[in-house]
Amino acid sequence: TQLLEQSPQFLSIQEGENLTVYCNSSSVFSSLQWYRQEPGEGPVLLVTVVTGGEVKKLKRLTFQFGDARKDSSLHITAAQPGDTGLYLCAGALESGGSNYKLTFGKGTLLTVNP
Amino acid sequence: NAGVTQTPKFQVLKTGQSMTLQCAQDMNHNSMYWYRQDPGMGLRLIYYSASEGTTDKGEVPNGYNVSRLNKREFSLRLESAAPSQTSVYFCASSYRGDYGYTFGSGTRLTVV
Repeated sequence: TQLLEQSPQFLSIQEGENLTVYCNSSSVFSSLQWYRQEPGEGPVLLVTVVTGGEVKKLKRLTFQFGDARKDSSLHITAAQPGDTGLYLCAGALESGGSNYKLTFGKGTLLTVNP
Repeated sequence: NAGVTQTPKFQVLKTGQSMTLQCAQDMNHNSMYWYRQDPGMGLRLIYYSASEGTTDKGEVPNGYNVSRLNKREFSLRLESAAPSQTSVYFCASSYRGDYGYTFGSGTRLTVV
């Protein structure tokens, strides 16, 4: 059983469209992060959210942490080809103690066509 | 601005050969991690080191060993490579994991 479920798995859209990617779990997380990975590279941290209900914006990207800290969403407005990549969510379990291991979702592969 | 440096970037091994993947970070991070990434499986933790002098198994440790050489360096060793170990390997570091990881650019390993 995957601790963090991401949906959709694949998403192909046209430039200018809006999209939302979801990250869901039945577990509570002390923090949740979103990463973007481009082909041949490692994941790059986009944002960390730590408070239930928290909303963070990064240019055209809006990240939300669920009130119960079990889920998160990433919304992209007016997507551009440069947004193409694998989007990963990752969480630090509240029950994880001090070992600071992250649990990763399998990712959403986004393709934005010109 | 080096961040996390992994070597080598590409490697082809024959079944049964051994090799060590090197990882170094220059951000004075406490924790370091080794992951493998396979299609459809996502990122899976192999080993991690919460602080200098400690190492612990992750989700898929079989066939691997690690050494936290000092605060900067964390190496991953394959003693007898198997085709099932064909993967992309990522090293990561963090001051605190719940603040986020910095990843290296990966090592693409093929075992034939």
